[in-house]
Amino acid sequence: GAGVSQSPSNKVTEKGKDVELRCDPISGHTALYWYRQSLGQGLEFLIYFQGNSAPDKSGLPSDRFSAERTGGSVSTLTIQRTQQEDSAVYLCASSLVGDYGYTFGSGTRLTVV
Amino acid sequence: GQNIDQPTEMTATEGAIVQINCTYQTSGFNGLFWYQQHAGEAPTFLSYNVLDGLEEKGRFSSFLSRSKGYSYLLLKELQMKDSASYLCAVNSNNAGNMLTFGGGTRLMVKP
Repeated sequence: GAGVSQSPSNKVTEKGKDVELRCDPISGHTALYWYRQSLGQGLEFLIYFQGNSAPDKSGLPSDRFSAERTGGSVSTLTIQRTQQEDSAVYLCASSLVGDYGYTFGSGTRLTVV
Repeated sequence: GQNIDQPTEMTATEGAIVQINCTYQTSGFNGLFWYQQHAGEAPTFLSYNVLDGLEEKGRFSSFLSRSKGYSYLLLKELQMKDSASYLCAVNSNNAGNMLTFGGGTRLMVKP
């Protein structure tokens, strides 16, 4: 696609429920990143995918968070048993190998009530 | 660890010049980025510095001093639409090219 697409743009969920957030990167971009941005805070790295390599999960805050990337394209970030502190904007970005700049999606605003 | 500091908020007047500073301490360095983020929107790329000096791009310029761990973003001829958050981010030369971001500087441009 022309840009990085994320869905849904907004999600309100009850505490304890599971949520899935989707990211569709720019076609041909092999690197995909998930970041989290809490209100008034900087971007916090969560997970990184590069081609068929094992993902770098070093930023995931707990084992309730997981992500997968199917066919080297679309990625899904899953949060199980959501907590109120999970409320944030979840941003996805993609890039070409060797390209140091990211293109970000518009994010998913998650609110846990 | 990685540490990137920038002011939380700044205010400036339309038509003026503003300088947003960023200091960093990272385990490695492979470039510094500035992004602009309007409220509720995705961050968009503004500039990339990997060598010392000033990079100019229209009304926006970015400066880097690697020895001082310091960068600034200079915005000239401020316009109301420049009201946004400005994010400083460093590539610490890790295998995944992950960027570490500062907390962002929220700039308010007043008439």
